[in-house]
Amino acid sequence: NAGVTQTPKFRILKIGQSMTLQCTQDMNHNYMYWYRQDPGMGLKLIYYSVGAGITDKGEVPNGYNVSRSTTEDFPLRLELAAPSQTSVYFCASRTQQGSDGYTFGSGTRLTVV
Amino acid sequence: QQQVKQSPQSLIVQKGGISIINCAYENTAFDYFPWYQQFPGKGPALLIAIRPDVSEKKEGRFTISFNKSAKQFSLHIMDSQPGDSATYFCAALNSGYSTLTFGKGTMLLVSP
Repeated sequence: NAGVTQTPKFRILKIGQSMTLQCTQDMNHNYMYWYRQDPGMGLKLIYYSVGAGITDKGEVPNGYNVSRSTTEDFPLRLELAAPSQTSVYFCASRTQQGSDGYTFGSGTRLTVV
Repeated sequence: QQQVKQSPQSLIVQKGGISIINCAYENTAFDYFPWYQQFPGKGPALLIAIRPDVSEKKEGRFTISFNKSAKQFSLHIMDSQPGDSATYFCAALNSGYSTLTFGKGTMLLVSP
């Protein structure tokens, strides 16, 4: 099993550009999440999804959009990139059943210049 | 507001020593408390987790101590090794909700 796969691993964007961070999982997990991690600030939830076709805002959703058309995929869209969106982005998933913790991807390091 | 407060922010421990990281929470509905370990350039990985019906859980050199009445839990790393140098996050989950609440993390450095 590959687990949670994120692409790309690194990206440099110019201010005002847009891009999509890809996330896919092969564990048939219902729940998927996007976090951003800034130094010393921990993990902040951007958006999450409890199943295909269902998404909800987290703590810091402004400037981002998501979709969940399949169980496997949960892309994060950045529109009109700003320097404040420079961060490391992590996708995670977990099963609805039981109480296992998240499985995280390896992250996307994004720099907006 | 659901919060998990983690301390210290950073920690330096000598090889062979005990590393202790503490977390406190407010929401009594939390029913699952995992710890994550994150190495530089990697995503967080589940290290060990506990439910509030037990006071302690041990896996190898890693132990979670849980104090339900004080709403506190802590991670103890015995015989700390340089390979344990990483950032550690505590978290809490209310199973009735979908999302984990994370602490802000502790950067652990184990000196040789």
